[in-house]
Amino acid sequence: GAVVSQHPSWVICKSGTSVKIECRSLDFQATTMFWYRQFPKQSLMLMATSNEGSKATYEQGVEKDKFLINHASLTLSTLTVTSAHPEDSSFYICSASWSPTETQYFGPGTRLLVL
Amino acid sequence: AQTVTQSQPEMSVQEAETVTLSCTYDTSESDYYLFWYKQPPSRQMILVIRQEAYKQQNATENRFSVNFQKAAKSFSLKISDSQLGDAAMYFCAYRSVYNSGSARQLTFGSGTQLTVLP
Repeated sequence: GAVVSQHPSWVICKSGTSVKIECRSLDFQATTMFWYRQFPKQSLMLMATSNEGSKATYEQGVEKDKFLINHASLTLSTLTVTSAHPEDSSFYICSASWSPTETQYFGPGTRLLVL
Repeated sequence: AQTVTQSQPEMSVQEAETVTLSCTYDTSESDYYLFWYKQPPSRQMILVIRQEAYKQQNATENRFSVNFQKAAKSFSLKISDSQLGDAAMYFCAYRSVYNSGSARQLTFGSGTQLTVLP
């Protein structure tokens, strides 16, 4: 149990375009989902916390207008990178938990390359 | 704010041997959760083990066990009978028991890259 999927796993896009990444909890309802960014050989950096039916809470330094997060249902959260630029190239990982106090389970990640 | 420190950027172990990865943390809270996650080359984060701070008994999952020393704020991971598939980056993480705001998020250490030698 506790499976989280992400789609797409790989995306290459041109600078200036927008990219949407989906995070789904497959066998449980996720009241809370988290979005992370990870640079090579570094730890995970939390970008935002997403709660079903309410606005996401962004970490300091993360542009909410650039990284749009929507958590419209208990099994789906989306991260949209708007007007992507090469510096947005990174590995994006989501996690989900069925209650705020429970363990976070991670998706397989999405590699974004902006040309 | 809580901090998590992993002082060993890299470790290596011979196949079938035992290795211990270190983790220390700093918190003023009395109850919390601690985790070890594994990130193999696929980059999928996998939960290895979880420990509730109120439990004195050390958590165990098959070949993985922890040495939780609450007073010392230490949470080491022992891997017994190491296998090639154990090669990965290992992250120690802390989470508050509180249910609001930033308390729900995981605080990660910087990671330890484990190499298993055949």
